[in-house]
Amino acid sequence: EVQLVESGGGLVQPGGSLRLSCVASGFTFSDHYMDWVRQAPGKGLEWVGRIRNKANSHTTEYAASVKGRFTISRDDSKNSLYLQMNSLQTEDTAMYYCARGHHSFDYWGQGTLVTVSS
Amino acid sequence: DIQMTQSPSSLSAFVGDRVTITCRASQGIRNSLGWFQQKPGKAPKSLIYDASRLQSGVPSKFSGSGSGTEFTLTINSLQPEDFATYYCQQYGSYPYTFGPGTKVDIK
Repeated sequence: EVQLVESGGGLVQPGGSLRLSCVASGFTFSDHYMDWVRQAPGKGLEWVGRIRNKANSHTTEYAASVKGRFTISRDDSKNSLYLQMNSLQTEDTAMYYCARGHHSFDYWGQGTLVTVSS
Repeated sequence: DIQMTQSPSSLSAFVGDRVTITCRASQGIRNSLGWFQQKPGKAPKSLIYDASRLQSGVPSKFSGSGSGTEFTLTINSLQPEDFATYYCQQYGSYPYTFGPGTKVDIK
């Protein structure tokens, strides 16, 4: 059974940093592209970014709203995906989901909540 | 960036109804479109990819069609568990973008 479990969310002050993790199981993690998607409270879904698999050199793509502030990385030996978030702003407050980037986003985690507030 | 629009933004339907949601892309995306269902407090669930292909385990009451710029999601014989918000999403080019959602509730 495919499972994605996010962690690392919490309350952070504007300008602060946070690192989210997503641990995968039930599939060959290293073969797959992985994505982060977020959802502000009461709002729609926003794609944050993607990291490709090793065969594609772990290259990344980002939404303009986070480019230069957020970094996606992965450790295939740990079946883990990461989202390093720097210079956080109040508008980054959201539930953050990791998703497997296969056939669109076929599996999602349950999400981890990030709140940026003073 | 490719803008995605959905219509209607919300609809009310009876159990047993058939409903159709339309999604439009601001430029052609071939068939690079997915549909997702989201219930309150839950993560989105993928229903359809490549505009018309059902994800594994998704019941055949859900169907998708379209290509280029106009797409539809049809739900046959609406059941209580189908009342949710539905999103389309394009993956034809970066940045990937979602539609604003269509909320389906009980009449």
